[in-house]
Amino acid sequence: EPEVTQTPSHQVTQMGQEVILRCVPISNHLYFYWYRQILGQKVEFLVSFYNNEISEKSEIFDDQFSVERPDGSNFTLKIRSTKLEDSAMYFCASRAGVISGANVLTFGAGSRLTVL
Amino acid sequence: GESVGLHLPTLSVQEGDNSIINCAYSNSASDYFIWYKQESGKGPQFIIDIRSNMDKRQGQRVTVLLNKTVKHLSLQIAATQPGDSAVYFCAKTSEASYDKVIFGPGTSLSVIP
Repeated sequence: EPEVTQTPSHQVTQMGQEVILRCVPISNHLYFYWYRQILGQKVEFLVSFYNNEISEKSEIFDDQFSVERPDGSNFTLKIRSTKLEDSAMYFCASRAGVISGANVLTFGAGSRLTVL
Repeated sequence: GESVGLHLPTLSVQEGDNSIINCAYSNSASDYFIWYKQESGKGPQFIIDIRSNMDKRQGQRVTVLLNKTVKHLSLQIAATQPGDSAVYFCAKTSEASYDKVIFGPGTSLSVIP
C-alpha cells in the first residue's frame, strides 16, 4: 500500500537553530500538507501546498516557517530559528485530488522535533 | 471561527461491546466530516467520512451519524476489538476552506479484554 514517508523520525536541536523536516508524499498525489501535534494535544493544521505554491496556511505558520517541493518527490518543512514551543510531532500528509472525490489525507508516521 | 470538539476525552469499553464516540462542531457551513484513528506512535489514519448532505454512512464495523440540527457527529464501532484502542479524532472541512482539515481534540478509546 502506498505510504507517506518522513525523515528524520526524531530530531533534537538547540533553540535558534534551523531545522528541515522531509517528506516523500504518495507519488500520484497533488496536494500536500504539514500538521503538527504537541504532545497529548490535537492535530493542528499548518499549511497546504498545491501546484508549487501555498494554498492555505494557519496562524501558526509564520515567517519562521517555509515549505518547498524542491524536486518531483520531496516536500520539506523548514523552521528557520526554532523556539522551545516548536517542540512537537510534525506530520506530513498528501491527497490525490478533487477528481477522486473525498478530501482523504494520508499521513506519514511523523517527525518528532525536540527543541532544547 | 470554526471549531470541532469532543464530548469525552477518554472512553473505556469491554471487548465485543459497541463504542460510540461523539463530536460537536460550531460552523453550520461545514461540508465534509472525517473520522481519523491515531494509534500510538503513528500518524492519523482515515476511517470514514460523511458529507453534509447525508445523515448516515456505514463502513466495515463503523458507522458515522451526522445530526446537522444540533451540529453533532458520532462514530459507532461495532463489536469493539483490542486493535480498536487508539485516539479518535473527528475532523472537518468547509466549503469555504475545503483544503484545510480542522481536527478536534481527540477521544482516547481503551478496549478492555
